[in-house]
Amino acid sequence: GEDVEQSLFLSVREGDSSVINCTYTDSSSTYLYWYKQEPGAGLQLLTYIFSNMDMKQDQRLTVLLNKKDKHLSLRIADTQTGDSAIYFCAERRGTGNNRKLIWGLGTSLAVNP
Amino acid sequence: DAGVIQSPRHEVTEMGQEVTLRCKPISGHDYLFWYRQTMMRGLELLIYFNNNVPIDDSGMPEDRFSAKMPNASFSTLKIQPSEPRDSAVYFCASSLGHQGSPLHFGNGTRLTVT
Repeated sequence: GEDVEQSLFLSVREGDSSVINCTYTDSSSTYLYWYKQEPGAGLQLLTYIFSNMDMKQDQRLTVLLNKKDKHLSLRIADTQTGDSAIYFCAERRGTGNNRKLIWGLGTSLAVNP
Repeated sequence: DAGVIQSPRHEVTEMGQEVTLRCKPISGHDYLFWYRQTMMRGLELLIYFNNNVPIDDSGMPEDRFSAKMPNASFSTLKIQPSEPRDSAVYFCASSLGHQGSPLHFGNGTRLTVT
């Protein structure tokens, strides 16, 4: 199928780590992306990973990719109230001129003080 | 870098009226995308362009929707006639031509059709 799946909600306490999970179905995925959407705003690119990588770290963000299980995760260290938003996972399949991304429905992260 | 600029930010119109949404991509980006976001269906790709040429419009809901890109710095999405079910947030995004280049989104146009 075409699905990219994410859990819809996650609630964490301020200062804890958040882990947002994403699963996809197509083994031909080449790039996988994480976007953040705050209320009333567009989608902001957080980070992305090429499929030949297992991990990518960028300040408080760590992306882990398990190609065998088709599982992608985003870990946010020391989560702050400003991290409250919806987080979208997206995959790009194949190469060439096909620029379609397959999107998850988003995970709504609530950070409690 | 001004980012992707969309206008208007909000549009309220009556059923049957024509609606035109506008987008200015990031300078130098080769690809331009129009998306629609609703609670029920999430993000849907409507159409995308490469170097001003439409590449895939299979996501355009029906003939009431049309999109143009007359030059590298401007695109429009038109709905004529509009219907209440078109109410959604419409996003424009652009990207460079390199494989894997991420999309950069505008802040969207919230369309309400009454």
